[in-house]
Amino acid sequence: GAVVSQHPSRVICKSGTSVKIECRSLDFQATTMFWYRQFPKQSLMLMATSNEGSKATYEQGVEKDKFLINHASLTLSTLTVTSAHPEDSSFYICSAIWANTDTQYFGPGTRLTVL
Amino acid sequence: DAKTTQPTSMDCAEGRAANLPCNHSTISGNEYVYWYRQIHSQGPQYIIHGLKNNETNEMASLIITEDRKSSTLILPHATLRDTAVYYCIVRGANSKLTFGKGITLSVRP
Repeated sequence: GAVVSQHPSRVICKSGTSVKIECRSLDFQATTMFWYRQFPKQSLMLMATSNEGSKATYEQGVEKDKFLINHASLTLSTLTVTSAHPEDSSFYICSAIWANTDTQYFGPGTRLTVL
Repeated sequence: DAKTTQPTSMDCAEGRAANLPCNHSTISGNEYVYWYRQIHSQGPQYIIHGLKNNETNEMASLIITEDRKSSTLILPHATLRDTAVYYCIVRGANSKLTFGKGITLSVRP
């Protein structure tokens, strides 16, 4: 199966700082990756679609200037939470589409805590 | 994208088959049914998917009714490690997945 990694797995930061989360497809190339957010006891909510070499597409209600997405290579997408606030504390999960099966494979998630 | 309906929770005994139902009555002809599961504090894990034929892999079997309005995920011999939230998702043409609340499966010893 396809493997997706995320780094870091956990991050704690101060309010007002920016945090970058990396999502990598380890054994396949992915032209399309997705970023989700999950609050406690809730389901995953899609934030944006990340396409290699082009601008990300954000879901309604997601601020593109706050959640910067860069998909500069076929194996790496990054999500930067700018000027983080406590309400941004959440579990951020990425996924990548493996073209062989046209299936999304998910990373292990990044737990962000903003103090 | 078509919505899915799943029971909130179910449990089964270890070693028994777990049959997880899903309704997707508004599914379109070209939409796939996907199943993922999420163990606490981890990313979702892909299990299986299908269009109209029944599918089987090393993890599970997927039975899709002939009218495609419902499906059942079968874990043939549930173990304690299968305790998780299971999501049944109808995937549209844009490849997006819309997660519902899923069904919480509890496997008891």
